[in-house]
Amino acid sequence: GAVVSQHPSRVICKSGTSVKIECRSLDFQATTMFWYRQFPKQSLMLMATSNEGSKATYEQGVEKDKFLINHASLTLSTLTVTSAHPEDSSFYICSARDRPGGLQETQYFGPGTRLLVL
Amino acid sequence: RKEVEQDPGPFNVPEGATVAFNCTYSNSASQSFFWYRQDCRKEPKLLMSVYSSGNEDGRFTAQLNRASQYISLLIRDSKLSDSATYLCVVRLTDSWGKLQFGAGTQVVVTP
Repeated sequence: GAVVSQHPSRVICKSGTSVKIECRSLDFQATTMFWYRQFPKQSLMLMATSNEGSKATYEQGVEKDKFLINHASLTLSTLTVTSAHPEDSSFYICSARDRPGGLQETQYFGPGTRLLVL
Repeated sequence: RKEVEQDPGPFNVPEGATVAFNCTYSNSASQSFFWYRQDCRKEPKLLMSVYSSGNEDGRFTAQLNRASQYISLLIRDSKLSDSATYLCVVRLTDSWGKLQFGAGTQVVVTP
């Protein structure tokens, strides 16, 4: 099956610093990538939808200036958490869609990135 | 109210037994339905899609009731390796095909 990678797998940073997370589709072209966040014991919450070559669409309540998303190529999207604070500590997961439309089109998930902000 | 609701469990199941649990969704325009499995501190992985007529995949059976807006998953002959959190997932009819996740039902299979 399709493989999506994320880097880094975990990161610890100081409050106020910025952290960049990469999401790559390894064997397919992903026109759309999604960024999720998951707090302990809670569901995955969609943060934004990213399309290659265009601006990301953010979900209500997600600050676009704090969570910068760049989808510069069909295989790479990045999420930058700017001026991170302890409440940003979470599990960040990306997913990539391998073809647009289709009733059973599949999203492939990356392994996630654990962010801990001290 | 949450868009997708699940009983968090845990459901403690003896090895070899059958366990079943449901999920309800609020958006009647939901288009597609899935069960994902998530192991501790890992990403979700697709377990199976849920079709209108119900479907089986080995020991797993999924049912969809559109009128009542609920989805069920039944696991027969539970294995220790079935211990995980099972996420009910609904795909909306928007152009992006966004997914909405339930918080998951934890299943613990015991020897």
